[in-house]
Amino acid sequence: DADVTQTPRNRITKTGKRIMLECSQTKGHDRMYWYRQDPGLGLRLIYYSFDVKDINKGEISDGYSVSRQAQAKFSLSLESAIPNQTALYFCATSDRETAGQETQYFGPGTRLLVL
Amino acid sequence: AQKITQTQPGMFVQEKEAVTLDCTYDTSDQSYGLFWYKQPSSGEMIFLIYQGSYDEQNATEGRYSLNFQKARKSANLVISASQLGDSAMYFCAMRGFFTSGTYKYIFGTGTRLKVLA
Repeated sequence: DADVTQTPRNRITKTGKRIMLECSQTKGHDRMYWYRQDPGLGLRLIYYSFDVKDINKGEISDGYSVSRQAQAKFSLSLESAIPNQTALYFCATSDRETAGQETQYFGPGTRLLVL
Repeated sequence: AQKITQTQPGMFVQEKEAVTLDCTYDTSDQSYGLFWYKQPSSGEMIFLIYQGSYDEQNATEGRYSLNFQKARKSANLVISASQLGDSAMYFCAMRGFFTSGTYKYIFGTGTRLKVLA
């Protein structure tokens, strides 16, 4: 089984709808992240959480919210989806920095299309 | 501001040849980490290699090595003996230290590598 899972893998929705993307991990990591990937722009950080009670905005948090329900679960919500939120969304996890290295492990991604 | 620059949108390499993917970075932090990830056409992101800013030796992981030139702020990925399965998108990334009080994990725009048979 994959260490980091995302549901759904693909989603089509309409403008104005609320949508939630879910992420679960079995790696036992404290830190979890949400990114979006757009062609030509690479990955950009939306939100991150270093533990269950810690939520922080990333580079592009407007229009998004998150919930860290448990150490293993981190959900991303689009309160009112708009077409420019069409993208590939990745969840990632990492453990506390070890010897200066903090590698992130990514889920398989969720392809979201907002019509 | 922290930034990662990958100037090669696409590259070709002949199977079994070596290839270098360029990455330059900009940061005022003294302590930082540099990473390379691979993204095959299936879409997942796969960690390849890490280099810490205080590491004196270049990182190596199997056929991957990171040519770290701190003064030039470059962290190029070298893939030796290219294989067809190396065809993918490659992303350079940087993690900023917390001295500024802000966490950063930023990615470049990627280089698409095509290995030719």
